[in-house]
Parts: sequence; C-alpha cells; structure tokens
Amino acid sequence: KNQVEQSPQSLIILEGKNCTLQCNYTVSPFSNLRWYKQDTGRGPVSLTIMTFSENTKSNGRYTATLDADTKQSSLHITASQLSDSASYICVVSDGLYNTDKLIFGTGTRLQVFP
Amino acid sequence: DAGITQSPRYKITETGRQVTLMCHQTWSHSYMFWYRQDLGHGLRLIYYSAAADITDKGEVPDGYVVSRSKTENFPLTLESATRSQTSVYFCASRGRLAGGPSSYNEQFFGPGTRLTVL
Repeated sequence: KNQVEQSPQSLIILEGKNCTLQCNYTVSPFSNLRWYKQDTGRGPVSLTIMTFSENTKSNGRYTATLDADTKQSSLHITASQLSDSASYICVVSDGLYNTDKLIFGTGTRLQVFP
Repeated sequence: DAGITQSPRYKITETGRQVTLMCHQTWSHSYMFWYRQDLGHGLRLIYYSAAADITDKGEVPDGYVVSRSKTENFPLTLESATRSQTSVYFCASRGRLAGGPSSYNEQFFGPGTRLTVL
C-alpha cells in the first residue's frame, strides 16, 4: 500500500533555532516528492518539489533532501521564525496517471515560540 | 482576484440536507481536484476533473457528486449530508510551474471550506 509517514507528529522550538522534519514513503512508482506548508485555516502551499534525481533543493530558509534509495526525505528549517509555525506536509506523486496522483502524509505540526 | 477561491468558508448543516461547496479558479487550469482533510489522515482525493465535462472518482467519492460545466468552476455537492462528512474541504487546480518539466506540475490549493454536519 502506498503510504507517506512523517515524524515527529508535532514539534516545539524556540525562535532562531533550526529543526529537521522527516518523511518516509513507500510509494511505487515514484515520480516526485513535495513539501507543503499549511498555515492554520489556509490551504497547503508548495515549498519544494524534487524528482528522484535531485538530492537537495532549497527555498530560502527551507532545505529539502531526498534519498530515493532509502525512500526518505527531510525538511530542514534554518533560523526559525514565528511565521514558520504551521503544519508541514510531505507529499509523494506516483506519476502513474495524468492526474499526477498525490499521496499525502499526515503532517508535522511545528510551533515556534519567542 | 486571481487565484483559486472557495465558498462558503464555513458551513453548518444538518444530516440529510444537500450542500454545495463552490470552487473557482482564474488560471484556466484544465485539472481541478477536491480533497477532504481530517485529523489523523492526510488529504484524501474525493473527485477530480481533467477538463470541462470530464470528471472521475478519487479515493473517497461515496456521498459526493461533482460537475464541471465551465473550466473555471468545480462545485462539490453532498446530496444527503452525513456526520461522517464533517471535514475541511480543499479544492485545487493543477498548473505547470514556469520553466519546469512536466514532472513539475504543481497543485494550487484554495483556502478551504470547514463543513460541520450536525
């Protein structure tokens, strides 16, 4: 069964600190992996998207890594800010259909405190 | 306004009533999607549409009906609402990121509709 698992479920850090969120997936075939940020009461917004040939991709203070061999990804947030408080969702596409079917993880809820 | 919008943002209804959630996008994207988001679950696909008048079931379609008479609109109807349909519903459309290959099709999500069925 295609699954995307994320850890931890929730995380609390102090402003200015770094953190790393984890994602493991068992999706086959694999097309790409995405990280989304979802603020409370809003829809998910894309942070990064990586194909199997890409090991790392950055978007400002967000850096995603992908190990297609071990089927693991991580999202590293540098120098966290209060505005980073959100849920971060790992999403994998199986690329099988034109629908570009997306399998969503349940997310990691990050809270950044001053 | 450009982008993707949903209405209403909040809705409370009673079991057995019909409810329609609206979704509108201004990009003329061909593909549109409806998801539901529940605690303990990732977003789950309800229905999708590849173009006007073309729709297909997703992972959890039971109890829902969709239509797409115009490219920009993709309404979702709960014909007879049940308590298990209490959820947050997200509409999305799919478009190509500028300069990216086909694998970089991106889904853009609306703000969501929080539906409570009493």
